[in-house]
Amino acid sequence: SQQGEEDPQALSIQEGENATMNCSYKTSINNLQWYRQNSGRGLVHLILIRSNEREKHSGRLRVTLDTSKKSSSLLITASRAADTASYFCATGNAGNNRKLIWGLGTSLAVNP
Amino acid sequence: KAGVTQTPRYLIKTRGQQVTLSCSPISGHRSVSWYQQTPGQGLQFLFEYFSETQRNKGNFPGRFSGRQFSNSRSEMNVSTLELGDSALYLCASSWDRPVESGYTFGSGTRLTVV
Repeated sequence: SQQGEEDPQALSIQEGENATMNCSYKTSINNLQWYRQNSGRGLVHLILIRSNEREKHSGRLRVTLDTSKKSSSLLITASRAADTASYFCATGNAGNNRKLIWGLGTSLAVNP
Repeated sequence: KAGVTQTPRYLIKTRGQQVTLSCSPISGHRSVSWYQQTPGQGLQFLFEYFSETQRNKGNFPGRFSGRQFSNSRSEMNVSTLELGDSALYLCASSWDRPVESGYTFGSGTRLTVV
């Protein structure tokens, strides 16, 4: 099945630093969502950006979307140890936005 | 408000057996989706139910099936289990159309097939 790709696969930073994760996808989308997952548990929705939006902010999160390059980035500013988790992007395709297509995730470790 | 509840949390089954997993969505959410998560394949869409009807289906064999009840609770069933079915099965509920709050996931059922 089609999947997005996140990079890097793993990222290790110090508390207080910024973390940037990228996501690329293959098809035309209706929206793109970012989720966080702690230790193989359920996913927590972070932010949704629609295909006609270019940038969105939520607290310490900033998401950008470039539909011409079929890519998105998630920036976490002033990271905390509690941000340690895996981060996934998921796309709702233009043809069927109910069937999310997921990337394989970026594993983020924030060291105190 | 209560979140999405999945039961059981952990399950160990033998090859050839069948299993039923349950998901209770957030009150008011009528859409329930199921995903399989494995280290190698990541998250893969199984199916989505809305108002007791299967609205979308992923590329899984017919051994994987589901249903939704009138109270929006959903079950998925896997028959004739194979070792490769070992995975974390996640359920997500939402309003009909994707909104800013996205999908709400349960904590998952960890299925191990031996």
